[in-house]
Amino acid sequence: GAGVSQSPRYKVAKRGQDVALRCDPISGHVSLFWYQQALGQGPEFLTYFQNEAQLDKSGLPSDRFFAERPEGSVSTLKIQRTQQEDSAVYLCASSFDESGANVLTFGAGSRLTVL
Amino acid sequence: ELKVEQNPLFLSMQEGKNYTIYCNYSTTSDRLYWYRQDPGKSLESLFVLLSNGAVKQEGRLMASLDTKARLSTLHITAAVHDLSATYFCAVDMSGDTGNQFYFGTGTSLTVIP
Repeated sequence: GAGVSQSPRYKVAKRGQDVALRCDPISGHVSLFWYQQALGQGPEFLTYFQNEAQLDKSGLPSDRFFAERPEGSVSTLKIQRTQQEDSAVYLCASSFDESGANVLTFGAGSRLTVL
Repeated sequence: ELKVEQNPLFLSMQEGKNYTIYCNYSTTSDRLYWYRQDPGKSLESLFVLLSNGAVKQEGRLMASLDTKARLSTLHITAAVHDLSATYFCAVDMSGDTGNQFYFGTGTSLTVIP
């Protein structure tokens, strides 16, 4: 596709529910990132994939958060037993290598509200 | 832990005026990016700075990088209303096994007609 596509755009969950957020990166982009952006804050790194390999998951806040990219394309971020502090916008980005730089292209984000 | 600090956090300026946004970071990196975010929208890449002394310009915006001072600046010349947005700098700490971008706190810019 032309850009990074995320779904759903908006999700309301009751505390304790599980949610799954999907990211469809730009075709051919090897690297894929998930970020969490709380209201009024900058994006915070969650996890990074290179193809299907999850090379860095140091930013995942707890073991309730899980991400996968089984075929090296579409990725899913799953949050189990959601809590109110999980409310945020979850941004997915993919990147290509341009002269040694990683130029991130972000999706529109999935806004999660946990009641 | 890497810290990326921007100042000011909020900036209100009149059209036609000039101003500079600062981005300080706490560890060595020679790759820094600037992004723009409109309310309710995602982040849009503005500049990629890859070496000490790098300077990039696009329209009324100019970005520079001083890796020795661990400082990047985003200079706004003759501001117009369309520049109203939140601006983030991001430090690239990509390594062999990890690939992390650390974002600053953001500067919310409002240009007043």
